[in-house]
Amino acid sequence: EAGVTQFPSHSVIEKGQTVTLRCDPISGHDNLYWYRRVMGKEIKFLLHFVKESKQDESGMPNNRFLAERTGGTYSTLKVQPAELEDSGVYFCASSRGWSSGNTIYFGEGSWLTVV
Amino acid sequence: DQQVKQNSPSLSVQEGRISILNCDYTNSMFDYFLWYKKYPAEGPTFLISISSIKDKNEDGRFTVFLNKSAKHLSLHIVPSQPGDSAVYFCAAMGSGYALNFGKGTSLLVTP
Repeated sequence: EAGVTQFPSHSVIEKGQTVTLRCDPISGHDNLYWYRRVMGKEIKFLLHFVKESKQDESGMPNNRFLAERTGGTYSTLKVQPAELEDSGVYFCASSRGWSSGNTIYFGEGSWLTVV
Repeated sequence: DQQVKQNSPSLSVQEGRISILNCDYTNSMFDYFLWYKKYPAEGPTFLISISSIKDKNEDGRFTVFLNKSAKHLSLHIVPSQPGDSAVYFCAAMGSGYALNFGKGTSLLVTP
């Protein structure tokens, strides 16, 4: 069974440009999450999809970030325009259910560097 | 405001000895706690979890202890192996779906 896959693994962009990160969850997992870790900080929750619906987007830092999950399969996270403080690693995760006891599986992360 | 704290950024243990990683939390609404292990250039991997109705959960060499009154949990690895060298993240979950992570503790197990 394939794990959570993320693309690209690394991205270097200039301030003001746009970057789109993609996540393919484990097949059959209705729940998809985005997290990010900026330098020196803890991993922080961004948002949670159940199928194609945003269940919780309380962690999205501002309106420069847009997440979509059309069709309830893969998800994209777009940062537009990117700022220096957006640099970090963006993790996608998925789970079959959302209650405790459902293991949340993480992808390897997409490293974003904004210069 | 960080609700999950791992106050030891690093820990070094000899192979065969016990590794104890600590975690404190501030939110009394958290009712489910997890430990994740992370190797460089990889995503966090689920290791072990514990519900707030328990005070201990064991899985092979890994045991998690929960002290609700102290809002403290710990992960014991015994015996420690060089392959256990990684960053360990403590995470907590409350009524929502979000995992609240600590900053991690880097464990080095030396031969």
